[in-house]
Amino acid sequence: QQQVKQSPQSLIVQKGGISIINCAYENTAFDYFPWYQQFPGKGPALLIAIRPDVSEKKEGRFTISFNKSAKQFSLHIMDSQPGDSATYFCAASKYGGSQGNLIFGKGTKLSVKP
Amino acid sequence: DSGVTQTPKHLITATGQRVTLRCSPRSGDLSVYWYQQSLDQGLQFLIQYYNGEERAKGNILERFSAQQFPDLHSELNLSSLELGDSALYFCASSVGWASTEAFFGQGTRLTVV
Repeated sequence: QQQVKQSPQSLIVQKGGISIINCAYENTAFDYFPWYQQFPGKGPALLIAIRPDVSEKKEGRFTISFNKSAKQFSLHIMDSQPGDSATYFCAASKYGGSQGNLIFGKGTKLSVKP
Repeated sequence: DSGVTQTPKHLITATGQRVTLRCSPRSGDLSVYWYQQSLDQGLQFLIQYYNGEERAKGNILERFSAQQFPDLHSELNLSSLELGDSALYFCASSVGWASTEAFFGQGTRLTVV
């Protein structure tokens, strides 16, 4: 049973545009929602994370929007750059967000065209 | 560079064989996590060790086992390998046992033929 559903599978955006990746979860016990960025040949790296007590978190060009009632959260990348081309994974966990409890989405491959 | 070292980078082996993947965590990190990344299953948590003891278990098959040694490096042992075990295996490390951020190595690509 997939507990975190991520869409789209792939995304092509022009340089300067907004990239939006969506995730939906089922388990209301989840209380930590991170996003990971993975470049080819590298391991995933934590990009930004949110807890359900806030509806939005912004770090530079990256913003997480969180909708608790809809059980959805999304990653927005403003002013997308070719260097943002990577695979992005959403994740969710219980018990405060311990790394070992993370359930990952299947990933979105983002290509930013110059 | 995350500071987490995994060896080997690539491994090709035959079905039925046994392999060992090695991970050296970042200096000072006590937790090591193992993940499997495949096209169909995505990124899945396998197991966590903290300071030498098993801390959490995910979707790890009985054919797979891991351990963490006194010098904190960890090994993931995969036995009776099947074609479906072909995947990228990542190791990550963190300071604490309940850290929200871990640092990933570059992975070991295992191909079972």
